[in-house]
Amino acid sequence: LAKTTQPISMDSYEGQEVNITCSHNNIATNDYITWYQQFPSQGPRFIIQGYKTKVTNEVASLFIPADRKSSTLSLPRVSLSDTAVYYCLVGDPRSYNTDKLIFGTGTRLQVFP
Amino acid sequence: DADVTQTPRNRITKTGKRIMLECSQTKGHDRMYWYRQDPGLGLRLIYYSFDVKDINKGEISDGYSVSRQAQAKFSLSLESAIPNQTALYFCATRDRRSTDTQYFGPGTRLTVL
Repeated sequence: LAKTTQPISMDSYEGQEVNITCSHNNIATNDYITWYQQFPSQGPRFIIQGYKTKVTNEVASLFIPADRKSSTLSLPRVSLSDTAVYYCLVGDPRSYNTDKLIFGTGTRLQVFP
Repeated sequence: DADVTQTPRNRITKTGKRIMLECSQTKGHDRMYWYRQDPGLGLRLIYYSFDVKDINKGEISDGYSVSRQAQAKFSLSLESAIPNQTALYFCATRDRRSTDTQYFGPGTRLTVL
């Protein structure tokens, strides 16, 4: 399974853009990169998923360089409600052997007024 | 109605007691997972099941057992609860036929005295 490394915590202010980078040096050919958001005492919820280049949805953007050894979650103009823990997961959703979806400790984002 | 439900939502029990946490889903997904989360830590995978006849150990299966009674139901048991099993437990589901995401239940807060 591809191991991921992310910063333990980040601070930001309302209205700023936040970029959280995840390293996954041994990502496999069929692996996708998925980001989740978790608020206290709630289950994680999906934010965005990508395989290569750039993916954008109404919540965030995901940038993946050509070598796919890292990825960056970009949250535009954060608000206080974006304070949460963000997890980066790497795996092949269709693979029997690798679809364990192992979560790390994530990145704790604190947004200040 | 929620797609993934967990019962009970909160439970306080004593050391040595047998406890069962239940998870039900209406999404028709074949894959189901149990995670535990300790304060300030990420989610750790306990068990996962790819279908009714397939059960697999995760990162921290010792002290736990599971039962997949039907495609929609996945139960987690603590045969003899101990205090260090005090945690927040999450059930999740996923569909192997797509790269779709995991869907998490609301969590069960278990306290073992």
